Amino acid sequence: DAKTTQPTSMDCAEGRAANLPCNHSTISGNEYVYWYRQIHSQGPQYIIHGLKNNETNEMASLIITEDRKSSTLILPHATLRDTAVYYCIVRAYGGTSYGKLTFGQGTILTVHP
Amino acid sequence: GAGVSQSPSNKVTEKGKDVELRCDPISGHTALYWYRQRLGQGLEFLIYFQGNSAPDKSGLPSDRFSAERTGESVSTLTIQRTQQEDSAVYLCASSLDTLRTDTQYFGPGTRLTVL
Repeated sequence: DAKTTQPTSMDCAEGRAANLPCNHSTISGNEYVYWYRQIHSQGPQYIIHGLKNNETNEMASLIITEDRKSSTLILPHATLRDTAVYYCIVRAYGGTSYGKLTFGQGTILTVHP
Repeated sequence: GAGVSQSPSNKVTEKGKDVELRCDPISGHTALYWYRQRLGQGLEFLIYFQGNSAPDKSGLPSDRFSAERTGESVSTLTIQRTQQEDSAVYLCASSLDTLRTDTQYFGPGTRLTVL
């Protein structure tokens, strides 16, 4: 699976949009972009995923550049409960890595009042 | 609906003892995964079950670790002769494992402390 690069940490004011970037310049055509987050002392929580089109759900929006080499997770109105480590994961469907999620270090997002 | 559940939530054991950790996946999910997360570290993949196929055991760190799954339901992760370096949170996840997407949903984890 392609490697991802994320900033180590980011801050966001409560009520503002949080934009978390992720670089995946070596992404292949069959690889999806997944976002998970892990709030302290909890299991990872699925947020959103996409292949090439932008996606939106009740939690967030995912913007994928046209060349698919980077993406941005957008939390439109961050709350204090959104403070967590956010993981951007790129993985293919099928192949020898089938089934595994490879978590990097992620971005520590701190939402402050 | 009910999510992935794991038990116990916390387990303290003495070095050398065996432990069993349980995972109940989301009903209907054919795929089940075990991960380990040491304090302050990322998740390490351990093992993956998909239906009746042979499990992918490539992440198990030693032969002291084993896992079983009964059909498409409960799974147990067994650690024999526990060592202090086995102390970690053990996370279980399940997914539908369809052709289009296999989003994994995680349980709350079992925190294992080996004294």
